[in-house]
Amino acid sequence: DTEVTQTPKHLVMGMTNKKSLKCEQHMGHRAMYWYKQKAKKPPELMFVYSYEKLSINESVPSRFSPECPNSSLLNLHLHALQPEDSALYLCASSQDSVRVAEAFFGQGTRLTVV
Amino acid sequence: SQQGEEDPQALSIQEGENATMNCSYKTSINNLQWYRQNSGRGLVHLILIRSNEREKHSGRLRVTLDTSKKSSSLLITASRAADTASYFCATDAQGGGADGLTFGKGTHLIIQP
Repeated sequence: DTEVTQTPKHLVMGMTNKKSLKCEQHMGHRAMYWYKQKAKKPPELMFVYSYEKLSINESVPSRFSPECPNSSLLNLHLHALQPEDSALYLCASSQDSVRVAEAFFGQGTRLTVV
Repeated sequence: SQQGEEDPQALSIQEGENATMNCSYKTSINNLQWYRQNSGRGLVHLILIRSNEREKHSGRLRVTLDTSKKSSSLLITASRAADTASYFCATDAQGGGADGLTFGKGTHLIIQP
């Protein structure tokens, strides 16, 4: 199984809503990542979990809250988002650090904030 | 900030021709990776080249790396319509930087049938 599964595929939420994005992998990877990608732009790193511990928070606003319940699961909790947060949110995992290994990406969640 | 810069930003060629994309980066790296993305969905890993390697092949793909010039190129030979996609180079940060990939701006490749 070489898949990273993200749910939902599409999400529309209001600015006062609370929602969560989910990501799952069963490849035994120890590093998991959240990226944000705006249209016609490259992915930008948001969070890195290494061995279930948050190691990097790229100064992301607190309205985005990551959670890693176990080594296979990664969540991104959303609260009080702004329309400019509309984007494709990508989850990825790697066997170890991307300093030595490739990343496997999910198909993404396309988020629209209204 | 973005580490890699690809050129060209867009490339349109005929099916069967070769496509070459270039990437430049700024800091020292452990490796450089190339990814493909179709229609704004997930990225697919194509090839990883380590900083001590100069060239790597995988099927119709050929990647070169010149660490002295901080640049890499991706060559796709005998292109097919299915190769139409955006291609991104990505680098890690050597020596204790953020443990994640930093992506270049990407090249949008269109293969004309």
